[in-house]
Amino acid sequence: QKEVEQNSGPLSVPEGAIASLNCTYSDRGSQSFFWYRQYSGKSPELIMSIYSNGDKEDGRFTAQLNKASQYVSLLIRDSQPSDSATYLCAVNEGSGGYNKLIFGAGTRLAVHP
Amino acid sequence: DTGVSQDPRHKITKRGQNVTFRCDPISEHNRLYWYRQTLGQGPEFLTYFQNEAQLEKSRLLSDRFSAERPKGSFSTLEIQRTEQGDSAMYLCASSLRGTSDETQYFGPGTRLLVL
Repeated sequence: QKEVEQNSGPLSVPEGAIASLNCTYSDRGSQSFFWYRQYSGKSPELIMSIYSNGDKEDGRFTAQLNKASQYVSLLIRDSQPSDSATYLCAVNEGSGGYNKLIFGAGTRLAVHP
Repeated sequence: DTGVSQDPRHKITKRGQNVTFRCDPISEHNRLYWYRQTLGQGPEFLTYFQNEAQLEKSRLLSDRFSAERPKGSFSTLEIQRTEQGDSAMYLCASSLRGTSDETQYFGPGTRLLVL
């Protein structure tokens, strides 16, 4: 059973702080890694994708990938109350030749003023 | 708005009834996925189409579930003889095969409640 593990939270951070979200995965064949944001009652919205070891930055967001440790993280700088949501880590199942995604259960982030 | 649309957005039905959901992907996307999400969980893969061909079905998709994508454009997901355990958000996503990242873009979902 291929798995993606996330801390369910809630992760509570003050406005302006850095929020750090973590994810581990079991499938060593995975090549594509995604972070989605999901507001309550809404569908997942893509935040970041990452495919190579190291860091990838996009605005206030930085994704970090370490394939040897099977670990993906998302940093949110200057956190805003509007960042309060559930963050889903998704990893492709490596064997299928297409992006069948395995999702973690999500980490709930709460940014308080 | 990602460009993926789903209809209806909400469906309330009684146990034992049949329901059908529709997904319209981004127009040029040739890959289409169905996922199911229950409260407090991440989406779970149900099935995948490349053009009109259904190439994989999850074990989660019992015989009561059927999905089609007849002309390689929109897709339908039908649940026959619904059960209370079918209550969930049904999500459709689409992607374009051959792009460098092949990101999946999700529709707004159909929330099903079985009474």
